[in-house]
Amino acid sequence: DGGITQSPKYLFRKEGQNVTLSCEQNLNHDAMYWYRQDPGQGLRLIYYSQIVNDFQKGDIAEGYSVSREKKESFPLTVTSAQKNPTAFYLCASSRRKGPNSPLHFGNGTRLTVT
Amino acid sequence: AQTVTQSQPEMSVQEAETVTLSCTYDTSENNYYLFWYKQPPSRQMILVIRQEAYKQQNATENRFSVNFQKAAKSFSLKISDSQLGDTAMYFCAFGAGGTSYGKLTFGQGTILTVHP
Repeated sequence: DGGITQSPKYLFRKEGQNVTLSCEQNLNHDAMYWYRQDPGQGLRLIYYSQIVNDFQKGDIAEGYSVSREKKESFPLTVTSAQKNPTAFYLCASSRRKGPNSPLHFGNGTRLTVT
Repeated sequence: AQTVTQSQPEMSVQEAETVTLSCTYDTSENNYYLFWYKQPPSRQMILVIRQEAYKQQNATENRFSVNFQKAAKSFSLKISDSQLGDTAMYFCAFGAGGTSYGKLTFGQGTILTVHP
């Protein structure tokens, strides 16, 4: 079945360490996105990519980095510069545009930094 | 910039009854889409229903329907014949048209509990 795979489901890191969250999709979607979810807040867009080798900052990109070397993969690195990295991270994909291709989400990664 | 507001942090309903979740938004865009997503305890985000702003007819998907009031910038979700499996957090989301399609702005969410 086609879908989005995020790994790992739970991730623990010490403060000051960079950590990379994996996101892979086999939906043949051009666009991929990273959202962050915090308690009491809706999802907020971190980065998005509409085509391979190109990506754009979202609303809360500070302290994060991404790469898009392959259509299927869009890893997110949470750097030590991110002040409050503990959160639930959701990856999503879609066709580049058009109302018939809504966002498809992965199952998320819960990151805890202590 | 767009904003999406869900004013009901929590709602509850008895099984088989009807419940309405509220959502308001603010935008200067003319071409946009509105969505309701469901996030059950598994935390998987699931699309419930979608509305194109240029369509006057309210979207329906089985037991789920919306009341889209464009002038009032209101987009409420009605769940009929509520089921236990409807228990989840519900997010209202706004998406601009064109190449910004996947960049959604989400509301804060409403936790819905369906009681037997």
